[in-house]
Amino acid sequence: AQSVTQLDSHVSVSEGTPVLLRCNYSSSYSPSLFWYVQHPNKGLQLLLKYTSAATLVKGINGFEAEFKKSETSFHLTKPSAHMSDAAEYFCVVMANTGNQFYFGTGTSLTVIP
Amino acid sequence: SQTIHQWPATLVQPVGSPLSLECTVEGTSNPNLYWYRQAAGRGLQLLFYSVGIGQISSEVPQNLSASRPQDRQFILSSKKLLLSDSGFYLCAWDRGLSQQYFGPGTRLTVT
Repeated sequence: AQSVTQLDSHVSVSEGTPVLLRCNYSSSYSPSLFWYVQHPNKGLQLLLKYTSAATLVKGINGFEAEFKKSETSFHLTKPSAHMSDAAEYFCVVMANTGNQFYFGTGTSLTVIP
Repeated sequence: SQTIHQWPATLVQPVGSPLSLECTVEGTSNPNLYWYRQAAGRGLQLLFYSVGIGQISSEVPQNLSASRPQDRQFILSSKKLLLSDSGFYLCAWDRGLSQQYFGPGTRLTVT
């Protein structure tokens, strides 16, 4: 069975400081993992994805995530937060059938000016 | 390029009224289609997915139903809305083993 746990429901950082959004997954096989971002009342936008290639994945808007199999983690990071990064972030694992995606409960990122 | 449309963008309906939300995809064929619901302060819950016309899989029991009358059209319906049906409904598509592409969403408020 697959599942995703986002360890923080809310994260608050100052503008210009690093961002860390934590995600742990559970999967019985090598997973495909994704991070999505959702701005208020908008759909979801893909930030980055891991599909068994390089363990350090670079995404859009300066975000990156590192797949660590030993820790079953896929944490999202950014060196310097921008005001426009304030949004809801979802970590997602994909079932090996390719038909089902399992979403974490989300982490709300607040950026303080 | 592919695009996904949802309408309406917002909807306010009384308890007990019917519901119909529509999702269409352009620029691709035979997509997998999904309906998700996002309740206030909560993550996304997969409601239905479809791998082809007339093929619907339901993830959770509820008073909602889905239909796929055409290859790139996915409809979410209810005969009688409940207060608990309020939320943000997202349609998504993919071609399998890749990321999903989400529509802009429909904000449903049941009063």
